This record gives sequence, structure tokens and C-alpha cells, in this order.
Amino acid sequence: KAGVTQTPRYLIKTRGQQVTLSCSPISGHRSVSWYQQTPGQGLQFLFEYFSETQRNKGNFPGRFSGRQFSNSRSEMNVSTLELGDSALYLCASSFILRRVSSPGANVLTFGAGSRLTVL
Amino acid sequence: KQEVTQIPAALSVPEGENLVLNCSFTDSAIYNLQWFRQDPGKGLTSLLLIQSSQREQTSGRLNASLDKSSGRSTLYIAASQPGDSATYLCAPPPHTGANSKLTFGKGITLSVRP
Repeated sequence: KAGVTQTPRYLIKTRGQQVTLSCSPISGHRSVSWYQQTPGQGLQFLFEYFSETQRNKGNFPGRFSGRQFSNSRSEMNVSTLELGDSALYLCASSFILRRVSSPGANVLTFGAGSRLTVL
Repeated sequence: KQEVTQIPAALSVPEGENLVLNCSFTDSAIYNLQWFRQDPGKGLTSLLLIQSSQREQTSGRLNASLDKSSGRSTLYIAASQPGDSATYLCAPPPHTGANSKLTFGKGITLSVRP
């Protein structure tokens, strides 16, 4: 069973450019979430998509956006890159989106990440 | 807003030692808590998920406990090995909304010396 696949693994951009990262979830997983990891801030939640709809969003500027396709694959885009956007971007998928009323488990499976360097 | 604290930030132990990694969180209204492992430059690997109805969860040499009332979870690693060297993160999800919006601690970087 294939895991979560993120592409590209590494990329270098310059300030002002834009970047698109891709995430293919585990087959059957419909929820995809994105995280940014930096040495200073640690892991921070960006947003989550379920059935092509953004269900949750973290505290990031509008330059960060995403979308999900009908096959559950997701992309995130960062426009007008800044030096501070240099980070490891992690994608995670899960089988179901737990409802508030359901205390059931919802294990996240993470991809290997996309390492973005902004010069 | 959930805040997660993991202390110390780094830990170095000799091989074979049993050790405990601590995780504290401010919002105890959680359904579960996950422990993850991250190797340098890599993604996260889920180690254990402990439900709020459970007190402990075990997987091999790993044992996680959860005390919601005190806002604490511990990850116990028995007979540590150099291959256990990694950063360990805990993440309780919010009690409202999606379980995927995890709040992570900064992690504990463990180094097990041969």
C-alpha cells in the first residue's frame, strides 16, 4: 500500500516567485491536511481539505492557498514568496474526518515533505 | 487555544536506558493524542495514538500514557537503542472540528549513544 507522496521533494525559489506543491494521499483517504515546519515555529497547521472543500484553516496569510481534486490529490500554492517561507512543507492524509460527536480515532499519515528554500 | 509543551528540548542517553518523554497540554478536552517520530529532514511517523478513554497504549518497546485531568502524556521507551535517535512530538487534536488540525509541541530530540 503506497504511502503519502509529496512532490517535489526539494526546490529552490527566489523571493517574489510562486510555488506549487503536490500531495497524493493514501488510496481511500479523503482528508488531506498541510503543515509548515520551521526551526523557529515548529509544526504549524496550514489547512485541511475534505471532499474538495477546505474544512479548516490555520493562521497563515492569503498568499498560502490550496485545493483538492476529485481523486483527493491536493496542491498547495504559495505566491509572492518571502525568505520566511523557507520550510519543510508536510502533507498528511487520513481515512475519515472525525465528526465532533464521534470520539473515534483518526490517524494521520504524513508524507516525506517538500523542502522549500527561498533565496 | 491548545498549547503543547515538551521539555526538555533535547536528551542524550546511553544505549539500553529506559526513558520517559513528557508532553503537557493546556486544553484537556481532547478525544485522543498522537505521538510521532521524526527523523532529520523527513516526515512524521505515527507511533501511538491513545484515546481519551484509555490510560495507556503500547507498541513494542513504546508505551504511551494519557492523563487528561492533568493535561499530560508520557511516552516511555524501554531499552533504548541508537535507532531510536530522532525527534519525538506529541499532538493533541482540538475537541471541536477536525482531528487533522493538530497542535504540535516543539518536540524532544533524542540521541541514544552506543
